[in-house]
Amino acid sequence: AQKVTQAQTEISVVEKEDVTLDCVYETRDTTYYLFWYKQPPSGELVFLIRRNSFDEQNEISGRYSWNFQKSTSSFNFTITASQVVDSAVYFCALWPAGGTSYGKLTFGQGTILTVHP
Amino acid sequence: DTAVSQTPKYLVTQMGNDKSIKCEQNLGHDTMYWYKQDSKKFLKIMFSYNNKELIINETVPNRFSPKSPDKAHLNLHINSLELGDSAVYFCASSQGRSSYNSPLHFGNGTRLTVT
Repeated sequence: AQKVTQAQTEISVVEKEDVTLDCVYETRDTTYYLFWYKQPPSGELVFLIRRNSFDEQNEISGRYSWNFQKSTSSFNFTITASQVVDSAVYFCALWPAGGTSYGKLTFGQGTILTVHP
Repeated sequence: DTAVSQTPKYLVTQMGNDKSIKCEQNLGHDTMYWYKQDSKKFLKIMFSYNNKELIINETVPNRFSPKSPDKAHLNLHINSLELGDSAVYFCASSQGRSSYNSPLHFGNGTRLTVT
């Protein structure tokens, strides 16, 4: 069975602070993909990043960076110098490449990030 | 150009009614999905179709029936609506069932309220 845990239900920061959103996953598959999605107050789901299980390189995209550590089954997301527009619900998700869960994207519970001016 | 479009965006109806939500994608993908987001923001897959064939059917009540007339469309029909059906329903698409080809592209969601 697949499981994604985002232990932080809500995080509140002040603008320009750095913030890290944690994600821990469980899977028996050796090949899988990990994602982060953003859901702003307007409600749509915005794709941020995809990482496959064989690629443990960290990635940086502007103020966003992701730290994938297979040894601890974690895929954490850091926003540097947060802005009010970063306020949203952030979801981590797992997509197994095989097995009975093939084709199912399993989401974590989401972390509500509020950035105050 | 909207990649995955759902209609309607909002749907308010009474218990016992039957309603449909439509979804269309113009990405040329062959796999489409319905996800449900409950009041606690939890997202869970309901159905998936690949080239008009049902490939994923989670434990969803029989009152929910997906229909895929072609690979660009996946509609969701709900019979005898109940209060607990109130949620946001997201349509999504991808190329194949493997994320190797593409991540899921989501529509903007349909907020269903049953009174």
